[in-house]
This record gives sequence, structure tokens and C-alpha cells, in this order.
Amino acid sequence: AQSVAQPEDQVNVAEGNPLTVKCTYSVSGNPYLFWYVQYPNRGLQFLLKYITGDNLVKGSYGFEAEFNKSQTSFHLKKPSALVSDSALYFCAVRDTGTYKYIFGTGTRLKVLA
Amino acid sequence: ETGVTQTPRHLVMGMTNKKSLKCEQHLGHNAMYWYKQSAKKPLELMFVYNFKEQTENNSVPSRFSPECPNSSHLFLHLHTLQPEDSALYLCASSQGASGEGSYNEQFFGPGTRLTVL
Repeated sequence: AQSVAQPEDQVNVAEGNPLTVKCTYSVSGNPYLFWYVQYPNRGLQFLLKYITGDNLVKGSYGFEAEFNKSQTSFHLKKPSALVSDSALYFCAVRDTGTYKYIFGTGTRLKVLA
Repeated sequence: ETGVTQTPRHLVMGMTNKKSLKCEQHLGHNAMYWYKQSAKKPLELMFVYNFKEQTENNSVPSRFSPECPNSSHLFLHLHTLQPEDSALYLCASSQGASGEGSYNEQFFGPGTRLTVL
């Protein structure tokens, strides 16, 4: 069955430290992978995506993510966290076999000053 | 702003009421989506429209009825809802929903916070 897992409900990190938000997936075909961010009282905003090619993808606001096919993972990273990065982060996958669009449960990132 | 607007932003309704949610996109996209967002749950895709045609209905109860009169507008008509339907309802759009367009990211509106009493 197709699924996306974000194993951590919340991640806390000190400002200036590197951050990682984890995502693993399971699909029947090749995955198209996405990260979105949601600030309070707002809809989701697109951060970055992996379709094909280089496994390291760079996106908005200094975020990047690495596609790892063998581990079926697509973790979101940033070298130096900002307090303003505090938000809810969603991983999503588009299964090219079924075209189903599946979101994870979200990970709340809290960056402490 | 993302170019996708939703009205109203907040809605409180009784179980016997009929109401509608409205979504409009100003991005020239041809695919539109309705999602339900509840706390501690994955985002639930409800309906997908591609070029005004409904292409997906993910086992949504008939008390939710979508309407897409053109590629820029999407409605969700609500009637005889249950308290468990209380959630944030998000509209999104993208350039294409199938085939080569399936790798395009979605643009979301701010959502309608629905409370069913």
C-alpha cells in the first residue's frame, strides 16, 4: 500500500544548529517527492521537489532534501535553523503508478532562540 | 499570497444547515483539489478536478458535493454534516493533475475552518 511516514511529531532545534525532518515513503511505481510548509492560519506552501536526476534537491528559504532510493527516504535539511523556520512541515509523494497524491501526518518544527 | 483564495475563512454550522465553500485560483492552472485537514491525521485528498472534470473521489460521503463550473472556481457544497466533519478544508490548484502534469507542485489556499455543532 502507498504511504508516507513522518516518524517525529515534533522536532526541536536550537537557532543556528542544523535541522533534519525525516520522511520515508512506500509506493508502487517511481515516486515524485515534495516538501511543503504550513505556518499558523495559512495553507501549505511548496518548498521543494524531487522528480528525477540529482539526489540532492535545493529549495526555498535555504532548505534542501536528499532522495535516497535504497532507504526510500526524502529527509528535509537546513544547515542553520532560524526561529522563523518554526512551522508544520509535510512530506508528500506522487505515485507515478497510480497518480495518487499522499501526504504524511506532518512534523512540527520548533526552533529555539 | 499563493494566488488561491478561499471564502469564508471560518464557518460554524448546525447539522441541518446547508452551506458552500468557495475557492478561486488566479494562476491559470487546470487542476483543482479539495483536502480535509484534521489534527494528528494525514492530509486527506477528497476530490480532484482536471479541466473541470472530476477525476478523483476518495470515498467521500455524499453530504459533501463538489462543483467545478470552470478551471478557476471550485465549490464544496455541504449538507447534513456531522460533528466529526469539523476540520480545516483546503483548496489547491496545480498545472495538470495527470500524466506529465503529475509532477507539478500544488498551490494551496488559506483554508476554511469549519465547525459543525
